[in-house]
Amino acid sequence: GESVGLHLPTLSVQEGDNSIINCAYSNSASDYFIWYKQESGKGPQFIIDIRSNMDKRQGQRVTVLLNKTVKHLSLQIAATQPGDSAVYFCAALTQGGSEKLVFGKGTKLTVNP
Amino acid sequence: NAGVTQTPKFQVLKTGQSMTLQCAQDMNHEYMSWYRQDPGMGLRLIHYSVGAGITDQGEVPNGYNVSRSTTEDFPLRLLSAAPSQTSVYFCASRTRTPLYGYTFGSGTRLTVV
Repeated sequence: GESVGLHLPTLSVQEGDNSIINCAYSNSASDYFIWYKQESGKGPQFIIDIRSNMDKRQGQRVTVLLNKTVKHLSLQIAATQPGDSAVYFCAALTQGGSEKLVFGKGTKLTVNP
Repeated sequence: NAGVTQTPKFQVLKTGQSMTLQCAQDMNHEYMSWYRQDPGMGLRLIHYSVGAGITDQGEVPNGYNVSRSTTEDFPLRLLSAAPSQTSVYFCASRTRTPLYGYTFGSGTRLTVV
């Protein structure tokens, strides 16, 4: 079935370093991708999105890269801060399809001071 | 602007009991969804709605019912609670054309004993 997977369940970085979280998806029809941040006890919070007609999108300290050829996307966080510690999920949506937002299992990012 | 509001935040049920998880959004979003989050499983879609009066099943619909009589509200009913339904439940909403992905509520932590 359709799946979205993250390459590493945990990632530990030093404060100030750049973080890269990777994700692979299986459905080539997926055309909208989202990265979420989830802090303990809270709901997922939108970070950044990208549509399939783009290969890169930048936000504040975050960049998402999309490689449709290998069905891979990544989230880059610049100058990682302790407040970035959370679980990060990628999700894929096929617009006009079943409305099923397929989530990966999450990467827990720990930022060490 | 409250966003997506879920009630209750915590609930303990006995096996066989029924209950309704409430979800309301004040952003006039057409699309609403219910997800459950289990350890190591990511978020899985239970039911979704693309507008008032329209609902459809997601990935794990068994044991749950939904209705959408208004744009604002999307309650999730557990018909006869089972221990396998112990989970954290999230309601989410979005505009018809995805913008900023889905907005999630803060979740309901349900324990079935």
